[in-house]
Amino acid sequence: DIQMTQSPSSLSASVGDRVTITCRASQGIANSLAWYQQNPGKAPKLLVYTAFRLQNGVPSRFSGSRSGTEYTLTISSLQPEDFATYYCQQYYGSPLTFGGGTKVDIK
Amino acid sequence: QVHLQESGPGLLKPSETLSLNCIVSGGSISSYYWSWIRQPPGKGLEWIGYVSHSGGTDYNPSLKSRVTMSVDMSKNQFSLKMSSVTAADTAIYYCARDLPGGDDALDMWGQGTMVTVSS
Repeated sequence: DIQMTQSPSSLSASVGDRVTITCRASQGIANSLAWYQQNPGKAPKLLVYTAFRLQNGVPSRFSGSRSGTEYTLTISSLQPEDFATYYCQQYYGSPLTFGGGTKVDIK
Repeated sequence: QVHLQESGPGLLKPSETLSLNCIVSGGSISSYYWSWIRQPPGKGLEWIGYVSHSGGTDYNPSLKSRVTMSVDMSKNQFSLKMSSVTAADTAIYYCARDLPGGDDALDMWGQGTMVTVSS
C-alpha cells in the first residue's frame, strides 16, 4: 500500500493566516492526489484533485502544489468557515489511501 | 444535483453481515465508479472499495475476504456487504462517486450512516 504521511496532525491559526498542510507519499504518485475538508458530523468535501485542480465552487484561497513526493494544500487567508479537518488521498495505486488528517482550529 | 443516500441497519451483532445500500438520485449511476469509505468514531478515513456501473470491483486487500459490492442499474443504487463483522467494523460508512474521466478523487458523498457492532 502507498502510505500517506500528513503533517501537522493539528494546528492553531487565526482568521487571515496563511496555512499549509503537507502530505508525503511513500512512493511516486504522479499528481494523483486529492484534498478534502471535513466538518464535524459531515461528509468530506473535495477541494483539490490531480494535486493542483480546484474543484468547482471551491474558493480560490485554496491551492495545491507539489515538490517531489511532497504535496501541499495552502489556504492563503484563513476564513471562519475553514476551521475543519483536512485529509489528503492518493489514487495512484490500489488501495486508495488517505493521510491521517490535519485539524485546523482557532488560536 | 446528484444526491447520494446510504441506508441500512445501524446496529449489528458480532459475526453478522453488514448490508448497506446507496441510492443515487438526480443523476444516472451509469458511466461512473462508486466507492465505499468508512470512518471509525474520532478517527481517519479508510477506503473499502469501489464498484463500476458495469459491475467491476476493486476492494481494499485488508477487507477483501469479507466484502462484496454490487450495482443495481434498475434501481439506480449500489450496495455493500461485509461479512463476519466485529467491533472493529464500528464506523460511519459513506458512499461516494469517483470523478468522471478516470480520476479516483471522490466528488460526491452521501451524508454517511453510523454502523455499530455490539453484542
